[in-house]
Amino acid sequence: DADVTQTPRNRITKTGKRIMLECSQTKGHDRMYWYRQDPGLGLRLIYYSFDVKDINKGEISDGYSVSRQAQAKFSLSLESAIPNQTALYFCATSEGPGFNYGYTFGSGTRLTVV
Amino acid sequence: AQKITQTQPGMFVQEKEAVTLDCTYDTSDPSYGLFWYKQPSSGEMIFLIYQGSYDQQNATEGRYSLNFQKARKSANLVISASQLGDSAMYFCAMSSPSGNTPLVFGKGTRLSVIA
Repeated sequence: DADVTQTPRNRITKTGKRIMLECSQTKGHDRMYWYRQDPGLGLRLIYYSFDVKDINKGEISDGYSVSRQAQAKFSLSLESAIPNQTALYFCATSEGPGFNYGYTFGSGTRLTVV
Repeated sequence: AQKITQTQPGMFVQEKEAVTLDCTYDTSDPSYGLFWYKQPSSGEMIFLIYQGSYDQQNATEGRYSLNFQKARKSANLVISASQLGDSAMYFCAMSSPSGNTPLVFGKGTRLSVIA
């Protein structure tokens, strides 16, 4: 099994629908992140969590919400999907604190909003 | 605020040649880490190499090396003997001194290796 698992891998949904992207990890890391990737824009941070009781907004949190159900699980919700939320979404985990810790990424969820 | 700049949206390299992907960063902190990730067409993000700001030697991992020039605030990725499988997006990223803020990523460089 992968260290960081994202479900679903691909999803097509309609405008206005609520959708949840799920992330689970077996790394035992406290820190988890959600990013979206758009062509030419790189990875942009949506939300992050440093432990179960900690939730922080990233640079593009509008239109999204998250839930940290357990150390291993961090879900991203789009309350009312819109077409410009079409993107590749990544969940990632890291050890920490310290500046020498990079990320372990999930395989990504490709979301299309029609 | 920290910032990562990758100025090459796309690059081509001949198979078996070496290629350098540029990354410059901006920070006023003395302690930080620099990372490179590879994203092949399949979409996953693969960690390649790490350089700490206090490391005296340039990091190397197989065919990957990081040309770290601290005074110039650059952390260029060098891929030696390019292979067709090196065709991918490459992202440079930076950590904060305490590690208490998420990594900051550049916009990426798409590398195409030509046979």
